[in-house]
Amino acid sequence: DAKTTQPNSMESNEEEPVHLPCNHSTISGTDYIHWYRQLPSQGPEYVIHGLTSNVNNRMASLAIAEDRKSSTLILHRATLRDAAVYYCILRDGGSQGNLIFGKGTKLSVKP
Amino acid sequence: SAVISQKPSRDICQRGTSLTIQCQVDSQVTMMFWYRQQPGQSLTLIATANQGSEATYESGFVIDKFPISRPNLTFSTLTVSNMSPEDSSIYLCSVERMVYSNTEAFFGQGTRLTVV
Repeated sequence: DAKTTQPNSMESNEEEPVHLPCNHSTISGTDYIHWYRQLPSQGPEYVIHGLTSNVNNRMASLAIAEDRKSSTLILHRATLRDAAVYYCILRDGGSQGNLIFGKGTKLSVKP
Repeated sequence: SAVISQKPSRDICQRGTSLTIQCQVDSQVTMMFWYRQQPGQSLTLIATANQGSEATYESGFVIDKFPISRPNLTFSTLTVSNMSPEDSSIYLCSVERMVYSNTEAFFGQGTRLTVV
């Protein structure tokens, strides 16, 4: 699986949008972009995933660059409960197991 | 979704002893995964446990240190053997399910182990 690069930490104010970037310049054509987050004292949880097109769900939006070498997770209105470590992970579409977690981005949300 | 229960949630153990962590899933799954998260670090896969066969270990992890059982399709255990303070970590159990044509991973709450 290809490697991803994320900022170590980011800060946001409550109720404001947050854009979490991820670089994945060596992404292959069959790699999906997955985002997971880990709230304090909990296991990681799925946030969103995409292949080429931008994606929206109830938790977040995922904006994928046209060349797929980068993506951005968008939290439209950050809440204090969104404070977590966010992981951007590439995974081949047909694979199972062995999610490769990088260091992720620790998001702090200020009231 | 998948509901995963891990026991114990935390423990403090003496060096040289062993701890067995249990993972129960709410429905049958083929593969169960064990991860380790060292303090301040990200998650690292220890092994993949399939029912009816020996677990597959990742580089740097061996069966003698981390024996795994998988007696049925909803349960697995991970033992941390002959513990040292370096084994102090969070150990997480995970399964995967197809959700709307995507393979999604689900994690237990983790077992926070401190070795003294």
